[in-house]
Amino acid sequence: EAGVTQFPSHSVIEKGQTVTLRCDPISGHDNLYWYRRVMGKEIKFLLHFVKESKQDESGMPNNRFLAERTGGTYSTLKVQPAELEDSGVYFCASSQEVGERSSTDTQYFGPGTRLTVL
Amino acid sequence: GQNIDQPTEMTATEGAIVQINCTYQTSGFNGLFWYQQHAGEAPTFLSYNVLDGLEEKGRFSSFLSRSKGYSYLLLKELQMKDSASYLCVPGRNTDKLIFGTGTRLQVFP
Repeated sequence: EAGVTQFPSHSVIEKGQTVTLRCDPISGHDNLYWYRRVMGKEIKFLLHFVKESKQDESGMPNNRFLAERTGGTYSTLKVQPAELEDSGVYFCASSQEVGERSSTDTQYFGPGTRLTVL
Repeated sequence: GQNIDQPTEMTATEGAIVQINCTYQTSGFNGLFWYQQHAGEAPTFLSYNVLDGLEEKGRFSSFLSRSKGYSYLLLKELQMKDSASYLCVPGRNTDKLIFGTGTRLQVFP
């Protein structure tokens, strides 16, 4: 079974440009999450999709970030326009909706996209 | 809110046993995850404890005490490849994971 995949693995852009990151979750996983790790800091939650709906986007830093998951399969995260502080590693994770509220579904992470804004 | 407390760094020798402790405070607690993260890579799922007690999975075991807000990860027969950061992550009923900085383990020959 294929794991979570992300594209590209690396992206180097200039300040003010636009970048779109893509995440393909594990097949059949309804939950999809985006996280970000900036240099030297811990991994931070950005947002959570359940199928095509945004369940929680409380971690999105500002309106320069736009995430979509049309059709409930893969997701994209667009940064427009990119700023220097957006540099970091963007992780995507997915989990299967088990439906038990007494436990948390295990999230499996993709390899990440390393974004460098110059 | 959430608070996670685990040692910043640990060192151990190849072949040895190491125990990484974690205490946590969180709302909506739904079990405790341990992830391994090698430098520059994604977190890899190691274990998930919902109930109190010890769960063993090969060389790695994880323990949870919900009443004490305490967990540990036990690594046996350490190998060089076990050098990585180990993240103690409380699961919550909101599903999103909140990470701390983890414990950086260095294994020496």
